[in-house]
Amino acid sequence: DGGITQSPKYLFRKEGQNVTLSCEQNLNHDAMYWYRQDPGQGLRLIYYSQIVNDFQKGDIAEGYSVSREKKESFPLTVTSAQKNPTAFYLCASSFSSGNTIYFGEGSWLTVV
Amino acid sequence: AQSVAQPEDQVNVAEGNPLTVKCTYSVSGNPYLFWYVQYPNRGLQFLLKYITGDNLVKGSYGFEAEFNKSQTSFHLKKPSALVSDSALYFCAVRDLRHSGGGADGLTFGKGTHLIIQP
Repeated sequence: DGGITQSPKYLFRKEGQNVTLSCEQNLNHDAMYWYRQDPGQGLRLIYYSQIVNDFQKGDIAEGYSVSREKKESFPLTVTSAQKNPTAFYLCASSFSSGNTIYFGEGSWLTVV
Repeated sequence: AQSVAQPEDQVNVAEGNPLTVKCTYSVSGNPYLFWYVQYPNRGLQFLLKYITGDNLVKGSYGFEAEFNKSQTSFHLKKPSALVSDSALYFCAVRDLRHSGGGADGLTFGKGTHLIIQP
């Protein structure tokens, strides 16, 4: 099936630990995005990438890092510098020339 | 700067009645407008979009939305609500003048919980 796969669905992070969320797409989309969702705040853009080996900061990039070594993959690392990482994280993708973005099923990150 | 407002945190509708979820927007130029739906613990699903053309846009699951330029609104509607329509709905906007492609310039509203009562 074509789509966007995020893993793991649930992840627990200890204080001071870095964790990485995986996002893979087989839609042949050029652009990929990471959003953070908190209750009552809608979606906020963390990072996005329009092409391989290039990415841009979104509105809330501090404490996060990404890489785009392959067109299909856009992993997000939540570093220890992110002081309030507990949230629902959504990966998305689109064609560069298009405007509709499509979302994965999301990953829950909880600090323990 | 562009923005989206969804004035209602929650909308309650009886099954079989028509439903409306409100959205107003603010952009400098002409807008691209979108509606997405999110079920609990899931990602967002695309419902419909307005780019240009007919002001009434039809989308998935019987939903439609009407673009009103003078009122800067893009309300989501459905003639007859189903219990299964209960979910969180997001409106989003992008300024047509935003350079490049993709959706990095997409701004989301805070979402409206739609509750359909049997």
